[in-house]
Amino acid sequence: GEDVEQSLFLSVREGDSSVINCTYTDSSSTYLYWYKQEPGAGLQLLTYIFSNMDMKQDQRLTVLLNKKDKHLSLRIADTQTGDSAIYFCAEVGSNDYKLSFGAGTTVTVRA
Amino acid sequence: DTEVTQTPKHLVMGMTNKKSLKCEQHMGHRAMYWYKQKAKKPPELMFVYSYEKLSINESVPSRFSPECPNSSLLNLHLHALQPEDSALYLCASSQGGLAGSTSTDTQYFGPGTRLTVL
Repeated sequence: GEDVEQSLFLSVREGDSSVINCTYTDSSSTYLYWYKQEPGAGLQLLTYIFSNMDMKQDQRLTVLLNKKDKHLSLRIADTQTGDSAIYFCAEVGSNDYKLSFGAGTTVTVRA
Repeated sequence: DTEVTQTPKHLVMGMTNKKSLKCEQHMGHRAMYWYKQKAKKPPELMFVYSYEKLSINESVPSRFSPECPNSSLLNLHLHALQPEDSALYLCASSQGGLAGSTSTDTQYFGPGTRLTVL
């Protein structure tokens, strides 16, 4: 794995959509992941996408992958207060055991 | 079920103490991992066990000693730690062994042990 970058903060109003962006540099990335970490808790796997896909939807979550631009995004529809957390983007390359994490995006949901 | 459990939830220890962190999974996963996470930072990989054998040690100081007694359990033995070792210690597991990148390598994390070294 190589560098993974994310914006550090996102503030969103309750009920609006959140979009968290991530860029990565490893062209051999095979799987890309989104993990959620609430205060004082471990990492919860939210979703993952294989590199030959460009979109994956799971209830309120939509993942978009632009492999050409090495850009991954996570959209959360109808954002709720329980969505306030740190969201980590991570990738793993082929023949690589190691998850490369972004710095994490702190999402704050305001009423 | 994708549950990884860790005990204890919190641990406070002095620099001369010996303690152990425990991790357990009953998903039949063949790879298990220890991570260290400082506040507001991403997790940093420490060790990887694959099929109960230590496969990866990310240059971790010897005051951290991992152990994998069986395929479901992973321990981290702590001795003579420093205050800068205070962190959240996360365990993770994945279905496949340590081989390439497939969907079976998806890592599932436990809730962590919050360690404070005085």
